[in-house]
Amino acid sequence: GAGVSQSPRYKVAKRGQDVALRCDPISGHVSLFWYQQALGQGPEFLTYFQNEAQLDKSGLPSDRFFAERPEGSVSTLKIQRTQQEDSAVYLCASSLDGVNQPQHFGDGTRLSIL
Amino acid sequence: GDSVTQMEGPVTLSEEAFLTINCTYTATGYPSLFWYVQYPGEGLQLLLKATKADDKGSNKGFEATYRKETTSFHLEKGSVQVSDSAVYFCALSDGAGANSKLTFGKGITLSVRP
Repeated sequence: GAGVSQSPRYKVAKRGQDVALRCDPISGHVSLFWYQQALGQGPEFLTYFQNEAQLDKSGLPSDRFFAERPEGSVSTLKIQRTQQEDSAVYLCASSLDGVNQPQHFGDGTRLSIL
Repeated sequence: GDSVTQMEGPVTLSEEAFLTINCTYTATGYPSLFWYVQYPGEGLQLLLKATKADDKGSNKGFEATYRKETTSFHLEKGSVQVSDSAVYFCALSDGAGANSKLTFGKGITLSVRP
C-alpha cells in the first residue's frame, strides 16, 4: 500500500497476556519509529530502527517491551505480561532516511488491557 | 531533555475566525520544528515544518515561524473552516545523528463551528 499499515487496529487483552503489534512501513523507507500515545497526551518515543538495526530503544518503558525488524521492513512490537498501564495507542512511523525527512504515521493500534 | 509545551485546550472558534495556537520548546541543540494534525478517525499527518531559525513553514493556509529568540513555533491561520476541526500537535526533532525521533506536545483540540 501507499502508507504505513498497522495491525490490528484494536486489540483487547487480559492483564498478564502477551501481545504483538505489527507495522508495515512504506516500501523503501529506511527508518522506522514506534511511539506510545496515552489518552489525551502526545505520542512518546519508544524505539527506532535503521534498516534491521535497532539504534535507539531508550524510550521502551520496561524490559517487557521488545521490538524487532529482522529483515529491515516489517516491524513487530511485543509486550509481555501486559499491565493496565500499557493501555494506549501504539503508533508506527517510517521515513526515507530519518534525517530531515518527514515521518509518515500509521493509524495506530489501540491496545486495551482489562 | 527536550520538551514541547502547547497552550491548554480545547479551542472552539466560529468559521472564518483567526486562529493562533501557541507552542514553545526546550532543546539543547538546533531542532527542527513541526506541526502535525490528526483529523477525526485518521492518523497523524505532517502539516508543516521549519528546520532553522526564522524559517516559515506553511501549508493549507496555516503558517508557523521558527523563533529562536523566544523558542516558539506558534501556528496561525487567518480564516478557519469547519474542515480544520482536528487535534494539532507541535513537535521537535533534535536531529542528532540519524535518529530524528520526535518529541511532541500534548496536543490541542480545535473545533470550528459553522
